[in-house]
Amino acid sequence: RKEVEQDPGPFNVPEGATVAFNCTYSNSASQSFFWYRQDCRKEPKLLMSVYSSGNEDGRFTAQLNRASQYISLLIRDSKLSDSATYLCVANNAGNMLTFGGGTRLMVKP
Amino acid sequence: DAGVIQSPRHEVTEMGQEVTLRCKPISGHDYLFWYRQTMMRGLELLIYFNNNVPIDDSGMPEDRFSAKMPNASFSTLKIQPSEPRDSAVYFCASINPGGDTEAFFGQGTRLTVV
Repeated sequence: RKEVEQDPGPFNVPEGATVAFNCTYSNSASQSFFWYRQDCRKEPKLLMSVYSSGNEDGRFTAQLNRASQYISLLIRDSKLSDSATYLCVANNAGNMLTFGGGTRLMVKP
Repeated sequence: DAGVIQSPRHEVTEMGQEVTLRCKPISGHDYLFWYRQTMMRGLELLIYFNNNVPIDDSGMPEDRFSAKMPNASFSTLKIQPSEPRDSAVYFCASINPGGDTEAFFGQGTRLTVV
């Protein structure tokens, strides 16, 4: 079993839709969490950090549930430019960053 | 800063040959990571360094893989001998944990072993 698991998708949604991704992690010692975005044939880039209290950045909302060991990402009012792969990341002790397999999102006109 | 710099961007080599991938982290970042990405297995951590010292190499597939960080501004990942199953995109990333631990990735090296 992978340490960080995600539904690979793809999620095909129309423009303007709201879409949510979940991610589960198995290492209860994981200290911090992130969502990264990766465009086709590009490197991953930080989208946002995930805090226990939940945090929002424009159309994006991230939530962390430590008790259930899952992280979520909500995208409202999807844009064509949101089409990408979204990677869930757990930072374990010692700054060891473990990535999930990614969830692919396709936003259609 | 130019960001994390990897070379070469693309490498095509024959099975059995030695391959060396190079990485220059962002100046001041004291953690450096090597990842491998394939469609089947996603992004896998191979090894990471802190202050030039390898911290965890449990992700290195086998003895054919080795990584070094002789100084704070340079790291190499070597595969000897290479095999077709090593074909993947290899990413290097660096972080400055004194900041917000955002990992900055290089553009990757796309390795094809034929």
